[in-house]
Amino acid sequence: DAMVIQNPRYQVTQFGKPVTLSCSQTLNHNVMYWYQQKSSQAPKLLFHYYDKDFNNEADTPDNFQSRRPNTSFCFLDIRSPGLGDAAMYLCATSRERTSPSYNEQFFGPGTRLTVL
Amino acid sequence: AQSVSQHNHHVILSEAASLELGCNYSYGGTVNLFWYVQYPGQHLQLLLKYFSGDPLVKGIKGFEAEFIKSKFSFNLRKPSVQWSDTAEYFCAVNAGAGNNRKLIWGLGTSLAVNP
Repeated sequence: DAMVIQNPRYQVTQFGKPVTLSCSQTLNHNVMYWYQQKSSQAPKLLFHYYDKDFNNEADTPDNFQSRRPNTSFCFLDIRSPGLGDAAMYLCATSRERTSPSYNEQFFGPGTRLTVL
Repeated sequence: AQSVSQHNHHVILSEAASLELGCNYSYGGTVNLFWYVQYPGQHLQLLLKYFSGDPLVKGIKGFEAEFIKSKFSFNLRKPSVQWSDTAEYFCAVNAGAGNNRKLIWGLGTSLAVNP
């Protein structure tokens, strides 16, 4: 089945210790997104890639970076995690912008990050 | 600025009760509309979507939603809820132009269905 996969599902890190979360997709979608979701809140878009074009949200802290080495993979790097960065991190994909169904996003299961 | 408003933050129903969750958005241009559901401990799943055509759309698990353009609304309905419908429900609207087009999310509605 075509899908969005996130690893690991649970990640524990220490305050200030860099961490990388990964996302892969078998849908061959052009667009990949990273969201942060805190408990009982809506997902908050951090950034997205359209192919190799990186689009950062204005309010995403510099502490959050991303890499997309190829169509299938996208990484979220948190350079110095703080306690406030503990959250669920969601990866999503969508088709290219010219497709009528472009705006439908397909979500992975998320990685729950704990910062000690 | 574009925004999505979900009127009910917490809803508690008994099984077999009818459900309606309100969603209003603010954007004057063309929109695509979505309802996503997040069951406890699970990832976000698409319940239903509206792109164009019939404003009454049917989704999975007996859910439906009606797009009323004049009211900027996209309310979610289900005639008879089940305990398994306990979940968080998010309304999302894709709005904006060109590279600024993105999903705008409501804050979510937590639905608890008592058996």
